[in-house]
Amino acid sequence: EAQVTQNPRYLITVTGKKLTVTCSQNMNHEYMSWYRQDPGLGLRQIYYSMNVEVTDKGDVPEGYKVSRKEKRNFPLILESPSPNQTSLYFCASSLLSGYGSSPLHFGNGTRLTVT
Amino acid sequence: AQKVTQAQTEISVVEKEDVTLDCVYETRDTTYYLFWYKQPPSGELVFLIRRNSFDEQNEISGRYSWNFQKSTSSFNFTITASQVVDSAVYFCALKGGGATNKLIFGTGTLLAVQP
Repeated sequence: EAQVTQNPRYLITVTGKKLTVTCSQNMNHEYMSWYRQDPGLGLRQIYYSMNVEVTDKGDVPEGYKVSRKEKRNFPLILESPSPNQTSLYFCASSLLSGYGSSPLHFGNGTRLTVT
Repeated sequence: AQKVTQAQTEISVVEKEDVTLDCVYETRDTTYYLFWYKQPPSGELVFLIRRNSFDEQNEISGRYSWNFQKSTSSFNFTITASQVVDSAVYFCALKGGGATNKLIFGTGTLLAVQP
């Protein structure tokens, strides 16, 4: 089954304790991205990657890191989480076709709470 | 700047009523794409439809229909004969014509369908 898999689904951590949210897709998509969803703000892009070893900042990159060593994986790293990073996180992927009309396929989300 | 506005924060209807979710967008791109996603209570994001800027034909899929009007920069979504299973948050999103696949999301409309 074609899918984007995020882990974990739920995560509670404390301020300053490094964590990684994993994301993997099995559709051979070039493009991958991370979004965070907050009430009243919709979804905002954190980072994206157009291909292996190519990553770039989205609209809200502060406090986050990513890497793209393999095409299928795009982990999100919080080196020193803070309470304002409490949010619902989504990983997404798509083909890069023409002018980028392919729909994004989203994972099931990771609900992160930082205390 | 690109922007998507979903002015309706919450809508409540009774089952079998028709309901229209509004979406207004802003972009300077001549080529762009519009999307609707559904987020049911379980939290995942489900792709519903994509429309490109050159195709103003309305689309109907079962009880769902979409009205794209470039003259008013709107891409409204109508559910006919709503059902309880339609209860969800609905997001409208915009993608510009560049190579990036970045989606700009509206803040979402929470639709509650009462039995």
